[in-house]
Amino acid sequence: DTAVSQTPKYLVTQMGNDKSIKCEQNLGHDTMYWYKQDSKKFLKIMFSYNNKELIINETVPNRFSPKSPDKAHLNLHINSLELGDSAVYFCASSQARRFPGGRREQYFGPGTRLTVT
Amino acid sequence: AQKITQTQPGMFVQEKEAVTLDCTYDTSDPSYGLFWYKQPSSGEMIFLIYQGSYDQQNATEGRYSLNFQKARKSANLVISASQLGDSAMYFCAMGRGGGADGLTFGKGTHLIIQP
Repeated sequence: DTAVSQTPKYLVTQMGNDKSIKCEQNLGHDTMYWYKQDSKKFLKIMFSYNNKELIINETVPNRFSPKSPDKAHLNLHINSLELGDSAVYFCASSQARRFPGGRREQYFGPGTRLTVT
Repeated sequence: AQKITQTQPGMFVQEKEAVTLDCTYDTSDPSYGLFWYKQPSSGEMIFLIYQGSYDQQNATEGRYSLNFQKARKSANLVISASQLGDSAMYFCAMGRGGGADGLTFGKGTHLIIQP
């Protein structure tokens, strides 16, 4: 069984379009995340979300918005796509336990490679 | 603010040798967790090992161990008896203790195992 899944795996679109990436986890975790990996392989958190709070990285443009229909899903909507949005987007999930005493490793989806032309 | 530094952009190692990948971190939080992830050329992110800031012993997971030196703020990954399949990008990451914060990642080390 796939723990964290994302669709689509590849997404090619033109500037100015609006697109969505879907994410589902079957691990029973209460927290989900979106990360962006740029062309130099650098991973940066975009959003963290559980049923209590949404944490937004202040560097993320407001064209990006997470939408969570339920605890198992966190979709990423992107409006007015720009060339600089081209990257690999990873969804991840974890249980928001407190350290110490609780591991909180995040399990990642396979990634979605977004190419904006 | 948290920061992770990985100073080795790339490493070449002979098969069956032990490998140490360096990671230093900076945080003002007393409670935090340190993680290592592997990213093979296929692109997926694979969790390897975790170390909590209050853990007294170094973490081990099979051939992976984490050399945690709290006073020096370092969390090096040691891979024993390297294999060709260990060739990948390796990322060190940190999470704050508690809540739903995401992880802060280092820039990664590209490890190549040579036969």
